[in-house]
Amino acid sequence: EAQVTQNPRYLITVTGKKLTVTCSQNMNHEYMSWYRQDPGLGLRQIYYSMNVEVTDKGDVPEGYKVSRKEKRNFPLILESPSPNQTSLYFCASSPRQGLYGYTFGSGTRLTVV
Amino acid sequence: GENVEQHPSTLSVQEGDSAVIKCTYSDSASNYFPWYKQELGKRPQLIIDIRSNVGEKKDQRIAVTLNKTAKHFSLHITETQPEDSAVYFCAASRGGGGRLYFGRGTQLTVWP
Repeated sequence: EAQVTQNPRYLITVTGKKLTVTCSQNMNHEYMSWYRQDPGLGLRQIYYSMNVEVTDKGDVPEGYKVSRKEKRNFPLILESPSPNQTSLYFCASSPRQGLYGYTFGSGTRLTVV
Repeated sequence: GENVEQHPSTLSVQEGDSAVIKCTYSDSASNYFPWYKQELGKRPQLIIDIRSNVGEKKDQRIAVTLNKTAKHFSLHITETQPEDSAVYFCAASRGGGGRLYFGRGTQLTVWP
């Protein structure tokens, strides 16, 4: 089944403790992206990748890191999480950026205390 | 960059009525406009999209219209049903490598 898989689905952590949210797609998509969703603010892009080893900042990149060493994987790293990073996170992929719709992962609800 | 504005932020309709959600965009070079539906607790899912060489596209009860001159596009849902209740997001992109920019979403509630 074609899908984008995110893990974990739920995560509660403490301020400053490094964490990684994994994202993997099995559709051979070139483009992958991370979004955070907060009430009233919609979907805001954190980082995106147009292909292996090519990443760029979105609208809200502060406090996040990403890497794209393989085409299928695009992990999101929070080196030192803070409470303002409490949010719902979505990974998404597309065959080509801006030309086709996205396939979203199931989401990761992160709480930083 | 692109700025996508979406209205209204909330919309309540009676079952069987029509619902219309409107979006405007700022970048005249944008040429790809998808719409996503997000049910409560679930991921956004693409429901329909339109490209700038087309003025209207329909898929059963859903249609999208595009006015390039005015830089706005709209989602039309006819004969609404309670299962249409969700948050709807519009988006715009230049295509061919351009980023996808989302509106802030519309919470649609369909009352039985």
